[in-house]
Amino acid sequence: KQEVTQIPAALSVPEGENLVLNCSFTDSAIYNLQWFRQDPGKGLTSLLLIQSSQREQTSGRLNASLDKSSGRSTLYIAASQPGDSATYLCAVQTGANNLFFGTGTRLTVIP
Amino acid sequence: GAGVSQSPSNKVTEKGKDVELRCDPISGHTALYWYRQRLGQGLEFLIYFQGNSAPDKSGLPSDRFSAERTGESVSTLTIQRTQQEDSAVYLCASSLWARHNEKLFFGSGTQLSVL
Repeated sequence: KQEVTQIPAALSVPEGENLVLNCSFTDSAIYNLQWFRQDPGKGLTSLLLIQSSQREQTSGRLNASLDKSSGRSTLYIAASQPGDSATYLCAVQTGANNLFFGTGTRLTVIP
Repeated sequence: GAGVSQSPSNKVTEKGKDVELRCDPISGHTALYWYRQRLGQGLEFLIYFQGNSAPDKSGLPSDRFSAERTGESVSTLTIQRTQQEDSAVYLCASSLWARHNEKLFFGSGTQLSVL
């Protein structure tokens, strides 16, 4: 069974720093990997989706990379802002209705 | 609608009572998913609907859990004889099609507390 792990579980950084969140998965047979953001009391917002044939995706200050063979993905956030504070979840999709989530990294950006 | 809508946003119930949670997907989205998120844990898949096909119920934890969806519209998740371990956030998501590389759009969830 696919297992998704996110390290660290929590991270605090001062405003303006660049940071990297890590995601690893055990089975490389995936269709895609997605990064989501979850704010307290709210649902998940899709940030980036990397298809299995792709190496990275960029959106604004966010860059996500995928190394399928090694079962790893990183989410890079440039010039962090207090508004980036949230829990970041990664999920790998192995079928139409098979989406496996990690437990998330809780990010706090200190003004 | 503009997004996935879930109601109620919060539900407090007594052990043994039945609860019904509602999800309104984005108009035109054929796929609908229910997930459960316990405090400090990842999302657990519960059930998935795709159009008029038979739903995938493989994630439902017990026969106290059931869900329905009429066509490509509203879905309800029912939990009978609630137990304290049912306390969690129940999240609904929809996508245009149930195929890989389709982004999922999530609702804000229903926080269920069973006393």
